Amino acid sequence: GQNIDQPTEMTATEGAIVQINCTYQTSGFNGLFWYQQHAGEAPTFLSYNVLDGLEEKGRFSSFLSRSKGYSYLLLKELQMKDSASYLCAVRDSNYQLIWGAGTKLIIKP
Amino acid sequence: DTEVTQTPKHLVMGMTNKKSLKCEQHMGHRAMYWYKQKAKKPPELMFVYSYEKLSINESVPSRFSPECPNSSLLNLHLHALQPEDSALYLCASSQPTTGTATQKLFFGSGTQLSVL
Repeated sequence: GQNIDQPTEMTATEGAIVQINCTYQTSGFNGLFWYQQHAGEAPTFLSYNVLDGLEEKGRFSSFLSRSKGYSYLLLKELQMKDSASYLCAVRDSNYQLIWGAGTKLIIKP
Repeated sequence: DTEVTQTPKHLVMGMTNKKSLKCEQHMGHRAMYWYKQKAKKPPELMFVYSYEKLSINESVPSRFSPECPNSSLLNLHLHALQPEDSALYLCASSQPTTGTATQKLFFGSGTQLSVL
């Protein structure tokens, strides 16, 4: 079967750095997405990786290793507004998105 | 305009009611989606329209009926729902998926549905 694993919840301090991991086993691979979702709101796109390596976009970076079935989202200089759920999603060989359950990130002052 | 607009934002309905959810986008996207999301769970795909044709129906009960009147509009008609259908219903759009291009999803803010 297809499976995506992320930690359920993480806590970090304002101004610090946090890394959210995602491991996947899917039928084929056509890209990995990270979305941010604030409570009661729609998911918003953060990043996309299809080749191995690091993609940097401001305070957020995302890394992919296809051989290990592994990705992480790195958030720097954390702000209170970064408190949200972070969803990892993999596009499989049929171009269907397989979603992880999401990681709830709690930022403390 | 990079928005997907959904109406209504909140809906309470009885099990015998008929209601419709509406979604609109003007980004020229030719793929539109309905997702269902329960609290603390990831979105579950329900339907996909590609070029106004239903391309994916993820074994959704017939009490949910999608409609795509044109390339900008997507509706979800609801009839005889059950309390377990209470959830956040999200509409999304993208360019049709080909190759490994990003084709990220743009989500609407959702309709919070409660079935009594």
